[in-house]
Amino acid sequence: QSALTQPPSVSGSPGQSVTISCTGTSSDVGRYDHVSWFQQPPGTAPKLMIYEVSHRPSGVPDRFSGSKSGNAASLTISGLQAEDEGDYYCSSYTSRTSFVFGTGTTVTV
Amino acid sequence: EVRLVESGGGLVQPGGSLVLSCEVSGFTFSDYWMSWVRQAPGKGLEWLANIKQDGSEKYYVDSVKGRFTISRDNAKNSLYLQMNTLRAEDTAVYYCARDDNWGWGYWGQGTLVTVSS
Repeated sequence: QSALTQPPSVSGSPGQSVTISCTGTSSDVGRYDHVSWFQQPPGTAPKLMIYEVSHRPSGVPDRFSGSKSGNAASLTISGLQAEDEGDYYCSSYTSRTSFVFGTGTTVTV
Repeated sequence: EVRLVESGGGLVQPGGSLVLSCEVSGFTFSDYWMSWVRQAPGKGLEWLANIKQDGSEKYYVDSVKGRFTISRDNAKNSLYLQMNTLRAEDTAVYYCARDDNWGWGYWGQGTLVTVSS
């Protein structure tokens, strides 16, 4: 199972918006709405930011939003803040009854 | 407060074995699927395995099938990962995580496994 494809890095100024793409296949992202996004600041465990494509867990700011079209999902961070810096990973359930993560994207503010 | 605490990591020689444990508190362990996820130094996340609430279903990523075994003891609120025939490429921080809505809402702090001679 190959990792989902994400851009290595994205950057933006405070207040701007950035979008991270997550490209999979018809066997994972394209087949299921079980796409999640995680934020991982350096040296810490990942934190769930989005689940089921577009749902935010309690406590996650509404600046974070998710969407999906075909075999690709996206995470958009609006009103970028310094605390949003870190690595971001997408994940998807797959037709092989397994999960796969994305390659990871470093967000720089 | 939900807590997941991994233990059992350390230095092991290639070909050796190790058992990781994850003790949880703050929620009803037997109500949730649980997963193991790892992260090699400087690399991305890799899902390894998950296990159903009663242990009746287990799924693995291809790279660890036949070498790693996930298990749980609901009476002890604990999740385990038996790792055999370890390779250098298994060197990573290993996280246990609670399956929530096809993602993982709670994670432990991780335990480092180093496979080296």
